[in-house]
Amino acid sequence: AQKITQTQPGMFVQEKEAVTLDCTYDTSDPSYGLFWYKQPSSGEMIFLIYQGSYDQQNATEGRYSLNFQKARKSANLVISASQLGDSAMYFCAMREGWDNNDMRFGAGTRLTVKP
Amino acid sequence: NAGVTQTPKFRILKIGQSMTLQCAQDMNHNYMYWYRQDPGMGLKLIYYSVGAGITDKGEVPNGYNVSRSTTEDFPLRLELAAPSQTSVYFCASSYALGFRPYGYTFGSGTRLTVV
Repeated sequence: AQKITQTQPGMFVQEKEAVTLDCTYDTSDPSYGLFWYKQPSSGEMIFLIYQGSYDQQNATEGRYSLNFQKARKSANLVISASQLGDSAMYFCAMREGWDNNDMRFGAGTRLTVKP
Repeated sequence: NAGVTQTPKFRILKIGQSMTLQCAQDMNHNYMYWYRQDPGMGLKLIYYSVGAGITDKGEVPNGYNVSRSTTEDFPLRLELAAPSQTSVYFCASSYALGFRPYGYTFGSGTRLTVV
């Protein structure tokens, strides 16, 4: 079964506007972590933000915030004030349990920021 | 400040050939991982290691082998290359087990083509 689902293959956003990238996940483990990574056209994977299943508040890192809705099993990434350099592939990922080393990735969303 | 270093960056193999993808990290991370990324897809875990001398299979281990003789190095061996192994390979490392809020540090990737 698909553990991580990203339903938006591609998204467009106007420069300086905010954009939300969707991510839903499936797990029966009460302990898990959710991650977002950015992959620019150069190919490297860049860690953006993390949310633990027991965290009370939504994670924020600069212009990135994670809209964590535990009951709906969603962990959407919000990018505020989009910049041209934000154009990239974005991957949502999850690790289940406290001793699981298998981080599962979604298929990704390609974000294009328009000037 | 090297982080995770992967070599080579590109390689073309003929069917049936073997090769080793090198990965080294200088952050004293215990945990290291090998992922593959097929075109248009997310990453899938091939093998991982929780420390020197300890390795374990991930989601897609067939056709690969690994070793971890030191904390710093985690080479991935391809035996009898097949076209299905054409992919981009990422090595990653992280701090100790658990949901550290820094995610994984990825190398820049090795683009492998098997013809």
